[in-house]
Amino acid sequence: DVKVTQSSRYLVKRTGEKVFLECVQDMDHENMFWYRQDPGLGLRLIYFSYDVKMKEKGDIPEGYSVSREKKERFSLILESASTNQTSMYLCASSQAGTDARSRFFGPGTRLTVL
Amino acid sequence: GIQVEQSPPDLILQEGANSTLRCNFSDSVNNLQWFHQNPWGQLINLFYIPSGTKQNGRLSATTVATERYSLLYISSSQTTDSGVYFCAVEARSGGSYIPTFGRGTSLIVHP
Repeated sequence: DVKVTQSSRYLVKRTGEKVFLECVQDMDHENMFWYRQDPGLGLRLIYFSYDVKMKEKGDIPEGYSVSREKKERFSLILESASTNQTSMYLCASSQAGTDARSRFFGPGTRLTVL
Repeated sequence: GIQVEQSPPDLILQEGANSTLRCNFSDSVNNLQWFHQNPWGQLINLFYIPSGTKQNGRLSATTVATERYSLLYISSSQTTDSGVYFCAVEARSGGSYIPTFGRGTSLIVHP
């Protein structure tokens, strides 16, 4: 079974803190994605990566950065967390050149910024 | 980018009722997928359906790609069907498929 795991299910941070959200997949997938999900807005793509050390901006990259030093790990970084970044964050992975059939999601991290 | 609209945004049903969820998209797409997000946040793939009709138990889906819409049917709904249903479409960009999600339909099924 494909496994996409995220480091925390729930996280509470303070405004201005640096926050790391970690995602690890064990299927040797090339592509990895970070989304945020907000009520009434669906899932919005923040960043994606199609290879180690490669990254592409999604629809809402402002206030976020990412790191992909190893193929299995894709980190989302909030350099200085703000209250409007309170959200559910979902990570996904897929094989290169494939479509939705091979995309798998992690369980999500619910981040609260106070 | 591609726009994805889902309707209705909210739906409340009595157990046993049937329902239809709709997904409209603004441009030609390579793929379309329906997801169910359970109350614990996990996204579960229901259907991969770029065109045609598929059935899986009480759920079925139809996509009419030429008219840019897809429908998800839930028959004899159960309380475990509660959650948010997302439609996601994909268009190929370079060597990757980039997904765009709709805003979801939030379904509550009462016993």
